[in-house]
Amino acid sequence: QKEVEQDPGPLSVPEGAIVSLNCTYSNSAFQYFMWYRQYSRKGPELLMYTYSSGNKEDGRFTAQVDKSSKYISLFIRDSQPSDSATYLCAMSEGGNNRLAFGKGNQVVVIP
Amino acid sequence: NAGVTQTPKFQVLKTGQSMTLQCAQDMNHNSMYWYRQDPGMGLRLIYYSASEGTTDKGEVPNGYNVSRLNKREFSLRLESAAPSQTSVYFCASSEVLVYRVGTSANNEQFFGPGTRLTVL
Repeated sequence: QKEVEQDPGPLSVPEGAIVSLNCTYSNSAFQYFMWYRQYSRKGPELLMYTYSSGNKEDGRFTAQVDKSSKYISLFIRDSQPSDSATYLCAMSEGGNNRLAFGKGNQVVVIP
Repeated sequence: NAGVTQTPKFQVLKTGQSMTLQCAQDMNHNSMYWYRQDPGMGLRLIYYSASEGTTDKGEVPNGYNVSRLNKREFSLRLESAAPSQTSVYFCASSEVLVYRVGTSANNEQFFGPGTRLTVL
């Protein structure tokens, strides 16, 4: 079983809709949870970062971590065509920067 | 600040040829990484360098070598390219590799634009 599971999609939504993405993981030692956004033919860039359990909000983006269920989520409110990208979840046990990535989820926001 | 730069952007090789992918960062970061990204596989760590003068294997090191030339530069070499090495290669850097457990500090990895490599 891969450490991090992420449904690769793709996911198409109309502009203004809420986008919901999630990852599950098997390693209970993960403490640091990240979402990276990757535009086509570009490198990933950090979008959201959460330490341990709980919610974090940044503008239209909300990241949730449920360590008891080993499940993390990313929500994008009022989605825009500029949100069209691949979103990768990543996790770390902490102490070092060895990240375990999900496969990535392609999102297309249709105007 | 250019951030993380990679050269070349594209490369086509024949099986058995060798080449070196170059990476440089101007953020004064100590740690650097090489990943490959394949469809349906996500990002996989090839090698990393915690600091100048040190390198370590990641998840998929076979068929690759690396050199941390100085603090800024970290190169990836394919000695005898194989079709299985067709991929998009990303270099990344971060301030440090090891940080204190239990802190909420974010030790972000910054990625370059990638090199698209095809091995025929």
